[in-house]
Order: sequence, then structure tokens, then C-alpha cells
Amino acid sequence: KAGVTQTPRYLIKTRGQQVTLSCSPISGHRSVSWYQQTPGQGLQFLFEYFSETQRNKGNFPGRFSGRQFSNSRSEMNVSTLELGDSALYLCASSLEGHFSYNEQFFGPGTRLTVL
Amino acid sequence: SQKIEQNSEALNIQEGKTATLTCNYTNYSPAYLQWYRQDPGRGPVFLLLIRENEKEKRKERLKVTFDTTLKQSLFHITASQPADSATYLCALRNSGNTPLVFGKGTRLSVIA
Repeated sequence: KAGVTQTPRYLIKTRGQQVTLSCSPISGHRSVSWYQQTPGQGLQFLFEYFSETQRNKGNFPGRFSGRQFSNSRSEMNVSTLELGDSALYLCASSLEGHFSYNEQFFGPGTRLTVL
Repeated sequence: SQKIEQNSEALNIQEGKTATLTCNYTNYSPAYLQWYRQDPGRGPVFLLLIRENEKEKRKERLKVTFDTTLKQSLFHITASQPADSATYLCALRNSGNTPLVFGKGTRLSVIA
């Protein structure tokens, strides 16, 4: 099976712009989670989607949004970019989201740099 | 407030020794706890899961313990090798509709 794929892998934007990141989960996985990783804060939870519904949302401003499509692919959007949004954005998929012990399979991440 | 603390940011050990990493949590009632390995520039990779009713889990050279009274998990790598050098993350999920949350990780360096 192909792993989790994320596009693009690298992105450079300027302050005030917006960005859309894409994630394709492992075939058959219905849950997709997004995380932001920075050296100072570690892995911070952004959103979790299951069958096109947002199940959980982390403590991030409304500039961060996401969605999941019927084929389980997911996108996240960050509007009005700030310097502090520079980070590695990781997507993870799992078989089930709710009451599940299943491990998460991570993609390679998208490295976003905001200038 | 809720906290997950991996109380060593970095750990250096000699090859062949046992590495022990600690994960402590506050104000969580985890249904299970997981450990992941992350190499530079890559996403984390799942290693082990231990449920709230389990005390210990083993996989090859890896061992995880879970003490819900102490609110602590220990992750052991026996006969460590330089290839074990990586950042190790603990993660937990409360029962119910809650997300998986991660500690900041411990960077392990195994010196030959």
C-alpha cells in the first residue's frame, strides 16, 4: 500500500498570503489528522477529520481551516500568513478515528516558510 | 492544565547500553499511550501502543511500561545501537472523543 502523501513538500510564502496544503491518506483510512511541528512547541494538534466531519479542533486561530473530501483526502488552509506560521505541517491517517487504538501513519510533511 | 512532559530533551548513551525515556502526564485519563520515532526531516513512525489496563508491552528490543497511578510511561531500548539515534515521542488519547496529543520528544543519541 502507498503511504500517506503530502503536497507540496516545500513552500515559501510571504506574510499576508494564504496557503493550501494537501494530504492523501493510506487507502482505506477514513481518519485524517493535521499537526504543526516547530522546534519550540513540538507537535501541536490542528484538526481531526473522520468521514468528512471535523471531529476535533486544536487551539489555533480561525485563520487555520481544513476539510475532508468523500475520498478521505484532506486539505488545510492558512489565510493571512504570519511569520510564526513557519513550521512543518504533518498529516496522519488511521483506519478509524473514534474509540480507536489504531496507530497513526504520518506523511513526510510540508515545510512552510513564511518570509 | 493538561500537560505531557518528556523530561529529557536530549539523552546521550553508549552503544550497547539500555536507553530509558520518560513520559509523564498531568490531568489526562488516557485510554492508551503510544510511542513514535521521528528522524530529522521525516514524519513520526509508530512503534508501540500500551492500553490503560496493560502494565508492560514488548517488541524486539523495545519495552514500554505504563503506570496510571504514577501517571507515567517508560520507554526502554535495550542493547542500543547508533541506528537508534532519533527523537522519540510519546502520545496519548483520553477515552471519548478527544484527539491524540504528543509530548515534545526526547532526542536520543547512541554513541559508538
